[in-house]
Amino acid sequence: GQQVMQIPQYQHVQEGEDFTTYCNSSTTLSNIQWYKQRPGGHPVFLIQLVKSGEVKKQKRLTFQFGEAKKNSSLHITATQTTDVGTYFCAGRGSARQLTFGSGTQLTVLP
Amino acid sequence: GAVVSQHPSWVICKSGTSVKIECRSLDFQATTMFWYRQFPKQSLMLMATSNEGSKATYEQGVEKDKFLINHASLTLSTLTVTSAHPEDSSFYICSARYNEQFFGPGTRLTVL
Repeated sequence: GQQVMQIPQYQHVQEGEDFTTYCNSSTTLSNIQWYKQRPGGHPVFLIQLVKSGEVKKQKRLTFQFGEAKKNSSLHITATQTTDVGTYFCAGRGSARQLTFGSGTQLTVLP
Repeated sequence: GAVVSQHPSWVICKSGTSVKIECRSLDFQATTMFWYRQFPKQSLMLMATSNEGSKATYEQGVEKDKFLINHASLTLSTLTVTSAHPEDSSFYICSARYNEQFFGPGTRLTVL
């Protein structure tokens, strides 16, 4: 079945440093979504990427979808303490099932 | 807009009892809702896809008779954990699709 791997599992950064999390799928995806989950909270939808090679920006967050539509990344520029949380990618394959990656837990040190 | 609620937010029960969790889309109709399970510091595991007016589609390894799902209306899906045991203790999250996927706040189940 479809598998979505995400690295790193944990990342500690100093406030102001950049952060990147990577997502790789075992199969080609029709789209990929990114979510943020704060400690004790539920996942909140951030963005969806559909096109091969697509790049989208949301303020300090940059999302990329690979040319082969099998990988994606989320980059945060100049992290802030409000960026703390776990970032999940979720890929939708041919079966239209959304498979979540294992998540990257981001800690931002003030 | 696009708010999903869950009730209860937490529940503690004795082993052997059944627990029902409700998932509601408050301001939109959802023909499809999803139920996930999340263990501490782990990812979300899709348990089943709930379709209004028809039987739910369960993921491999999820017991249909243990996790009963009912999607009686376009705004309500319920998950009943039957004869709950301590290993069923987890965080259960539902989501509903309205263009994108919106998640409920989750229900933390603790089985003693």
